[in-house]
Amino acid sequence: EPEVTQTPSHQVTQMGQEVILRCVPISNHLYFYWYRQILGQKVEFLVSFYNNEISEKSEIFDDQFSVERPDGSNFTLKIRSTKLEDSAMYFCASHDPGSHQETQYFGPGTRLLVL
Amino acid sequence: SQQGEEDPQALSIQEGENATMNCSYKTSINNLQWYRQNSGRGLVHLILIRSNEREKHSGRLRVTLDTSKKSSSLLITASRAADTASYFCATGKAAGNKLTFGGGTRVLVKP
Repeated sequence: EPEVTQTPSHQVTQMGQEVILRCVPISNHLYFYWYRQILGQKVEFLVSFYNNEISEKSEIFDDQFSVERPDGSNFTLKIRSTKLEDSAMYFCASHDPGSHQETQYFGPGTRLLVL
Repeated sequence: SQQGEEDPQALSIQEGENATMNCSYKTSINNLQWYRQNSGRGLVHLILIRSNEREKHSGRLRVTLDTSKKSSSLLITASRAADTASYFCATGKAAGNKLTFGGGTRVLVKP
């Protein structure tokens, strides 16, 4: 069964460094998302991406964040200058509007630790 | 309460018993989805119910939706130790739109 994959599974970085989190959505899906979950807290929406542009973003998704679909398969989240409070699990998700199902399928996550 | 709040926050039951958890939300929705998360892992989609549906079943899962009360319930029948996880409801206002998650219910099924 097709699934969303994410790399790396874990990343440790120093405060102020740039990180790029990678996702490969399910191949025929057209909507892509990033969410994050700070330890012990709710899953929070960051950004959605459709037709090669951001369709919606939350207040969390400030100028330090950017997303890109550099080729036909990858979807990336870049954090330009990481802060301690960026430590969280980051989930990528995708959705196929052609399926007439509203289900979003999530990847296994990247656990980011900023020191 | 915020959009998508579950109760109880934690639930401990014996294997074989049923587990019921509830989710309440504030604004109108198009769909409500339930996800499971094993400790420190990814989110696994369990079941989706649309705003024009009242009940759905999938295996040992039963979901109800009451749009007049803005609430949903997830019932896991004949629970197993492997059902130990956190369960989250998430609401969507339209297909393709962001999901808004609740705080989750931690379920412990004791063998």
